[in-house]
Amino acid sequence: SQTIHQWPATLVQPVGSPLSLECTVEGTSNPNLYWYRQAAGRGLQLLFYSVGIGQISSEVPQNLSASRPQDRQFILSSKKLLLSDSGFYLCARQVYNEQFFGPGTRLTVL
Amino acid sequence: GDSVTQMEGPVTLSEEAFLTINCTYTATGYPSLFWYVQYPGEGLQLLLKATKADDKGSNKGFEATYRKETTSFHLEKGSVQVSDSAVYFCALSGPNTGNQFYFGTGTSLTVIP
Repeated sequence: SQTIHQWPATLVQPVGSPLSLECTVEGTSNPNLYWYRQAAGRGLQLLFYSVGIGQISSEVPQNLSASRPQDRQFILSSKKLLLSDSGFYLCARQVYNEQFFGPGTRLTVL
Repeated sequence: GDSVTQMEGPVTLSEEAFLTINCTYTATGYPSLFWYVQYPGEGLQLLLKATKADDKGSNKGFEATYRKETTSFHLEKGSVQVSDSAVYFCALSGPNTGNQFYFGTGTSLTVIP
C-alpha cells in the first residue's frame, strides 16, 4: 500500500497564526516526499521535497517551512500565516517514476 | 528548463461529446509523460502515462500518445460522461529533471447532461 494520510482535511486560520500540516505515508521505507500548493483556479506549485529524514529542499522562498522528523512523516509549517497562504495543500510520494497524492488539506486564511 | 503547457480552460462539453485536451512539453532528453485527474475536493490521481516515444497510455476510455516529433501528449476520450467532470493535469518527469515532476496548470472539464 502506498496510502498517504493528510491531517487536517480542512483548516480555517486567522492571519498571523501558526500552521502545522501533517502528512504520513505507508508502504516502502525512505520515500521521496513532496509538498505542493494549489491556489484557487491555479496549477500545482511545488513547495518542498525531501529525499530522507532531515533532508529538505525548498523550491520557492516564502514564509513556509517543512520538516521530516521521521521516515514516513512530512510536516509543513508556518510561524505566521498570510492571506496568500490560502489554498489546497497536497502531499505526494514518489515511487519509481510515478507520484501518488494524498487527499489534501484545504487551508483558508482569514 | 523542462516544462509542460496545456490548453486553458474551462472546457464545457455535452455528454457523449469527443474530448481533446492539448498538452505540449519542452524537455531535454526523454521524459516520461503523465495525465493526472483531480475530482472536486480530492487529491490528484494518475490517469495514464507513457514512458517513451510512440507509447500510448490508456485508462477509463481516455488515451494519450507520446509524440516526440510534435512534443505533444494530448488527452482524448471518444465519449465523455458527467462523471468525467474534473481538472486534468499534464505532467512530465525524467532523469533530466532529477525525477521531479513538472505539472501543467490544469484544465477544468465540465460535462453537462
